[in-house]
Amino acid sequence: SQTIHQWPATLVQPVGSPLSLECTVEGTSNPNLYWYRQAAGRGLQLLFYSVGIGQISSEVPQNLSASRPQDRQFILSSKKLLLSDSGFYLCAWSEQPEAFFGQGTRLTVV
Amino acid sequence: GQNIDQPTEMTATEGAIVQINCTYQTSGFNGLFWYQQHAGEAPTFLSYNVLDGLEEKGRFSSFLSRSKGYSYLLLKELQMKDSASYLCAVSYPAAGNKLTFGGGTRVLVKP
Repeated sequence: SQTIHQWPATLVQPVGSPLSLECTVEGTSNPNLYWYRQAAGRGLQLLFYSVGIGQISSEVPQNLSASRPQDRQFILSSKKLLLSDSGFYLCAWSEQPEAFFGQGTRLTVV
Repeated sequence: GQNIDQPTEMTATEGAIVQINCTYQTSGFNGLFWYQQHAGEAPTFLSYNVLDGLEEKGRFSSFLSRSKGYSYLLLKELQMKDSASYLCAVSYPAAGNKLTFGGGTRVLVKP
């Protein structure tokens, strides 16, 4: 069966520090991968999606970037965090039709 | 645009039925999805509709009318554990099947 791992579960980072969130999927090959962010009490905002290794589509311009160095690995990064980057970050994968989410990383930028 | 609108909050009584509406102004999607999200947790898949009509899965049913730009999620025999946010989303096959979500509806089930 397929599983998705996302870590860490919580993270507190100072403004201006770098960020690296990692997501891996097991039990499937060539999945579509996604990074979402959810502000408190709000819906999910799609940040990036990837349909294959090295293929990244950006949905919202901001100081975040994503990479897919391996088929089942998706990384979300930032060189310098802003206060507004705080939120609940969710990785997801899809073959079709539905998407399945990782457990999320709650990021607080202080 | 890809406007997907849902009511912000709804309150219902244990054992009752609640209908959560979702309206959208978008096209080119291949399915409409419903997810459940408990506070502080990741969303979990509930149901989806590709064709117009009703899809039933136990206590949960979802309906889609593409001509009216409208969907609803029906929760029957409400239980306290159904208190959660319910997210409506559409997927776009031309863009990696990405899901675009509405703002979610928070449902509070009272005894």
